[in-house]
Amino acid sequence: AQSVSQHNHHVILSEAASLELGCNYSYGGTVNLFWYVQYPGQHLQLLLKYFSGDPLVKGIKGFEAEFIKSKFSFNLRKPSVQWSDTAEYFCAVSNDYKLSFGAGTTVTVRA
Amino acid sequence: EAGVVQSPRYKIIEKKQPVAFWCNPISGHNTLYWYRQNLGQGPELLIRYENEEAVDDSQLPKDRFSAERLKGVDSTLKIQPAELGDSAVYLCASSLDRSSAYNEQFFGPGTRLTVL
Repeated sequence: AQSVSQHNHHVILSEAASLELGCNYSYGGTVNLFWYVQYPGQHLQLLLKYFSGDPLVKGIKGFEAEFIKSKFSFNLRKPSVQWSDTAEYFCAVSNDYKLSFGAGTTVTVRA
Repeated sequence: EAGVVQSPRYKIIEKKQPVAFWCNPISGHNTLYWYRQNLGQGPELLIRYENEEAVDDSQLPKDRFSAERLKGVDSTLKIQPAELGDSAVYLCASSLDRSSAYNEQFFGPGTRLTVL
C-alpha cells in the first residue's frame, strides 16, 4: 500500500516570504504525483502534477514542485507568497486511479 | 462547464439516524469517486464507480454504508445507522475514465456531516 507523509501540519509566514512544503511517499513502483490546494470555503483543486519527464514541474499561481526519485519526495515551492495563498495544501500519490493523500499542511500568510 | 455538484453542503443528525448524500459529476465523466475526509486528515477513498459499476468498494464499511449510481450518472451515498465516528466531510469526485492513469479527478465542495 502506498502512503504519503507531509512534514508540516501548519506553516505561518509573511507575504513575499518563500514557501516550501515537504512531501514524501512510500511506494516501490511507478507513481503519479499531485499537489492539491483547498482555499477557505472552496473545494479541492489541482495545483500541479507529475507523471514523467522533467522532474521540475510548474503549476498554477507560481507554484512548482520537484520530484526526487531517490528520496521519494515531491516538495512544493513558491518563491514569494501572497496573502491569497492562504489555504490547505495536500500532496497525493497514485499508481493508477487511486489517489492516496497526505494529511495536509495549512498555510497561513500574514499580510 | 459546471463542476461536481454535491448536496446537502451540511448535515447534522443524531446518532442512529440515517443520512444520504447526493453527487452529480461533471457531464461526460464516467468515473465517480466517494471520499471521506476526517478532521485534520486527507481524503480517503470509499468507493469508485466506472459508469454504474462499483469497481472498488474495498474501503467502504459495508455494515452501515451503501452507495449506488443508477444509470451511471448521479450517485448517492448512504449511512444507516450513523455513528458518532462518521462525522466527517464526504467528498465526491469525478474523472473522464480510468483508461489513462493521467486522469485528473475533479472534486465537489463536499458534505460536512456532524453526528450528535
